[in-house]
Amino acid sequence: GAVVSQHPSRVICKSGTSVKIECRSLDFQATTMFWYRQFPKQSLMLMATSNEGSKATYEQGVEKDKFLINHASLTLSTLTVTSAHPEDSSFYICSARVQGVSEQYFGPGTRLTVT
Amino acid sequence: KQEVTQIPAALSVPEGENLVLNCSFTDSAIYNLQWFRQDPGKGLTSLLLIQSSQREQTSGRLNASLDKSSGRSTLYIAASQPGDSATYLCAVSSGANSKLTFGKGITLSVRP
Repeated sequence: GAVVSQHPSRVICKSGTSVKIECRSLDFQATTMFWYRQFPKQSLMLMATSNEGSKATYEQGVEKDKFLINHASLTLSTLTVTSAHPEDSSFYICSARVQGVSEQYFGPGTRLTVT
Repeated sequence: KQEVTQIPAALSVPEGENLVLNCSFTDSAIYNLQWFRQDPGKGLTSLLLIQSSQREQTSGRLNASLDKSSGRSTLYIAASQPGDSATYLCAVSSGANSKLTFGKGITLSVRP
């Protein structure tokens, strides 16, 4: 149980285009989903927290107009990187949590490369 | 602001050795602490979760301890195997609905 999937696992896009990454909880309803970014040999940095049906809460320094997060259902959250630039190339990981349970379940990650 | 430190950044040991991975955090007011494993290019696998009221948790060859007052946790791996080679991350949470703060991880290599 508690499986989280991400799609796509890898994506290459050209500078200036937008990319959407999906995060799904497959066997449970996730009231809260988190989006992290991880640069090589660095730790996971939380970008934003999204609760189903409400606006995401962004961490300091993360541009909400550049990283659009939608959490329209209890099993799906999406992260759209708008007008991507090479510096946005990174490993993006989502996690999901059930209300009342503190443990987070992580997806397998999405490798984004912007050329 | 909570900060989580894991030192050293990398560790190489021969197969069969028992080893300890360290994690320290600056704010002792934590809700729980988790240890994760991350294989190259992959997501995170939760290994052990210790609530703030607990002193340790065990799963197979893994044992995690927590000393909240001193801001430290250790992950003990018994009889290490090459398959244990991965990056091990610890993360702390300050509340049931709070975010996780991660350390940078320790990259472990177990030599056959």
